[in-house]
Formats: sequence, C-alpha cells, structure tokens
Amino acid sequence: DIQMTQSPSSLSASVGDRVTITCRASQSISNFLNWYQQKPGKAPKLLIYAASSLQSGVPSRLSGSGSGTEFTLTISSLQPEDFATYYCQQSYDSPWTFGQGTKVEIK
Amino acid sequence: QVQLVQSGAEVKKPGSSVKVSCMASGSYAISWVRQAPGQGLEWMGGIIPMFRTANYAQKFQGRVTITADESTNIAYMELSSLRSEDTAMYYCARKFELGWFDPWGQGTLVTVSS
Repeated sequence: DIQMTQSPSSLSASVGDRVTITCRASQSISNFLNWYQQKPGKAPKLLIYAASSLQSGVPSRLSGSGSGTEFTLTISSLQPEDFATYYCQQSYDSPWTFGQGTKVEIK
Repeated sequence: QVQLVQSGAEVKKPGSSVKVSCMASGSYAISWVRQAPGQGLEWMGGIIPMFRTANYAQKFQGRVTITADESTNIAYMELSSLRSEDTAMYYCARKFELGWFDPWGQGTLVTVSS
C-alpha cells in the first residue's frame, strides 16, 4: 500500500497568515493527489484534485502543487472558515490511502 | 447537483452485522470510507453499479460486502463480525474515474457495544 505522510500534524496560525501543509507519498504517484477539508461533525469536502486543480466553489486563496512524492497545500491568507483538518489522498493505486490529517487551529 | 443520503445511526452487538445504505441522485461509482472517533480516513472499498463489481481494501476483505441496486441508485455496505474497533462514522462518497471523492454523504455512525 502507498503510505501518505502529512506534516505538520497540527499547526496554530492567525487570520491572515500564509499556511503550507506538506504531504509525502511512499512512492511516486505522479499528480494523483487530492486534498480535503473536514470540519468537526461534518463530512470531508474536496478542495483540490489532481494535485493542483481547484474544485468548483473553493476560494482561490487555496492552492495545491507538487508531483511525484511531495505535495503542498497552501492557504495564502488564512480566514476564520479555514480552521479545520486537512487530508491528502492518493488516487494512483488501490487501496486509496489518506494522510493522517493536519489540524489547523487558531493562534 | 449530486447528492448522497445515508441511512441513520446504528447500535450493534459484537459479532453481529450492520448494513448501511447510501442513496444517490444518479448512477455513480461509490466508495465507502470510515473514520474512527478522533482518527483519520480509511477507504474500505467501492463499487461501480453499472458493472456490479466491487473491490475492497485488503484489511476488510472477507468482512465487508458492497453492493448496489441500479434501479434505485442505492449502494450498500455490509460489515460483519463487528467488534468494538469498528465503532466509527461510515461515509459513502462518489468516486471519480481519476480517483477523487466528491461529494460525500452525511455519514452514518455505527456503534458496536455489548
């Protein structure tokens, strides 16, 4: 199975900060990498697919980049609604696997 | 707009089975993902209703059965031999061909307790 490792596991940031979350795959997955946001008590929501394509309706302050084994999710200016847990997921090979999550908290 | 609506919460005894449903607004490939309390996301398996073929994560092979009724656009996930570690929120999600999941159902909480 392809292992996905996110860093950091959690971070504290202020509104307006630039935030970067990293996701590493245990083998090359080309650009088959997707990002989700999950708020407490809610289902995950797709943010970015194929490493860098923004899902419809997702604010442009979010962006994704990377290929191969290293990927990043960047929030250019953190907003109150961005405080949540973020997961990466590889869709290169079954079983589809997720990172352990990165919790973004208010500083 | 694609919508997925799941069945309600379940409380089950250890050793029993649970069957969770996911009603879609059309015919889509559906996957099941679970999340134990305070934990991350774990893909269990999925199905393409048109082909009636399911595939499963090795971890759940033999214990999970995913089916779909094309006439009603309802997908089902049945998990047997339940143990306390199966207590989790179970989500269905539409799986796109290139592998991302969108949208997700609202989740079904399954509690396994004696």
